[in-house]
Amino acid sequence: SQQGEEDPQALSIQEGENATMNCSYKTSINNLQWYRQNSGRGLVHLILIRSNEREKHSGRLRVTLDTSKKSSSLLITASRAADTASYFCATRDKETSGSRLTFGEGTQLTVNP
Amino acid sequence: NAGVTQTPKFQVLKTGQSMTLQCAQDMNHEYMSWYRQDPGMGLRLIHYSVGAGITDQGEVPNGYNVSRSTTEDFPLRLLSAAPSQTSVYFCASSRQTASETQYFGPGTRLLVL
Repeated sequence: SQQGEEDPQALSIQEGENATMNCSYKTSINNLQWYRQNSGRGLVHLILIRSNEREKHSGRLRVTLDTSKKSSSLLITASRAADTASYFCATRDKETSGSRLTFGEGTQLTVNP
Repeated sequence: NAGVTQTPKFQVLKTGQSMTLQCAQDMNHEYMSWYRQDPGMGLRLIHYSVGAGITDQGEVPNGYNVSRSTTEDFPLRLLSAAPSQTSVYFCASSRQTASETQYFGPGTRLLVL
């Protein structure tokens, strides 16, 4: 089963609104990464947050990490139509999975102009 | 740098045929991996490599072989294609480990009839 699970599965908002996506995972991690995938394209790395960090910012992106709840959230502020994409979280199990990076099933974000 | 390149972009196979999906990177990355992505789903790890001459299985390795004779190249071989292998295949690389930023190729769309 996937280490990371995102919710919601799909999110539709208007341009200018904020979008929040959540990721839950099951085991101890070193860090958690967020990726974006535009339709028909490869994944692009957005942000990495380490297990000893609680919040990280990059432009209009804000990521939080709560290791006690094994969850992370990605907030996109002032969304634009160009933010329409699928967003995935990815984790590496600190204890058991060696060099495997596991992706969640993603949140499909649609930003309507 | 070209980054991570994949060929072909699209391929149609008949059941039982074999083929090799090519992946190359010019960033001198040690870690390379192959994922498959099925409709509406996240990525599932097929095989990965932590350096030339070293490969290991991921979550869904059956029906696929890999080799890593050079740092730059990481081909994925389908031994006897099956309709269940219809998918989009992504190759990714990172500097050293699965815990770092992954750089993805554009993907190969494979249809097995």
